[in-house]
Amino acid sequence: ETGVTQTPRHLVMGMTNKKSLKCEQHLGHNAMYWYKQSAKKPLELMFVYNFKEQTENNSVPSRFSPECPNSSHLFLHLHTLQPEDSALYLCASSQEAGSYNEQFFGPGTRLTVL
Amino acid sequence: GQNIDQPTEMTATEGAIVQINCTYQTSGFNGLFWYQQHAGEAPTFLSYNVLDGLEEKGRFSSFLSRSKGYSYLLLKELQMKDSASYLCAVMDSNYQLIWGAGTKLIIKP
Repeated sequence: ETGVTQTPRHLVMGMTNKKSLKCEQHLGHNAMYWYKQSAKKPLELMFVYNFKEQTENNSVPSRFSPECPNSSHLFLHLHTLQPEDSALYLCASSQEAGSYNEQFFGPGTRLTVL
Repeated sequence: GQNIDQPTEMTATEGAIVQINCTYQTSGFNGLFWYQQHAGEAPTFLSYNVLDGLEEKGRFSSFLSRSKGYSYLLLKELQMKDSASYLCAVMDSNYQLIWGAGTKLIIKP
């Protein structure tokens, strides 16, 4: 595997379910990001991890819970979501946060909350 | 507040040239990025400008004017595979990317 991978690619869940999104990067980067992408809206930065430490939480509701066990893996744990949380969730990585480095994106998880 | 503006949708003809504009108002500036995103796929990096002027990379060029808060992406010799969304993003003073909503480019034969 190369680049940034995300699983699952598609997820349908009920409001009472608990699920997790997984992201893995094979680029040797030290920063990882979660973004939410809704139709015709700008990408919304949710969380940033730099060297496994969370450095950014952009007022994300607590029903989204990130986990970064090491620099290569990032999870987004989901529970009691709302229908408005339906969106494409993108993971990205870069050499380091807080610098000019470009971000490399995974293909995303298309989430539908019923 | 911080704001990135770009047209929602544009249409162009195969073989032609198209210019996608982006204007921004941000707290600080540490560079402007353009990304391409095909439907259902990951955004991929196209260009980065931090100094004024034109950067050329094959069929794609990107221009920046910091004094005007303005950039454009120029695509030449358009091909059908260029049909995609083009995302403009500015890195602010905290090195955080502020994104535009993207411009959907439709290429017609």
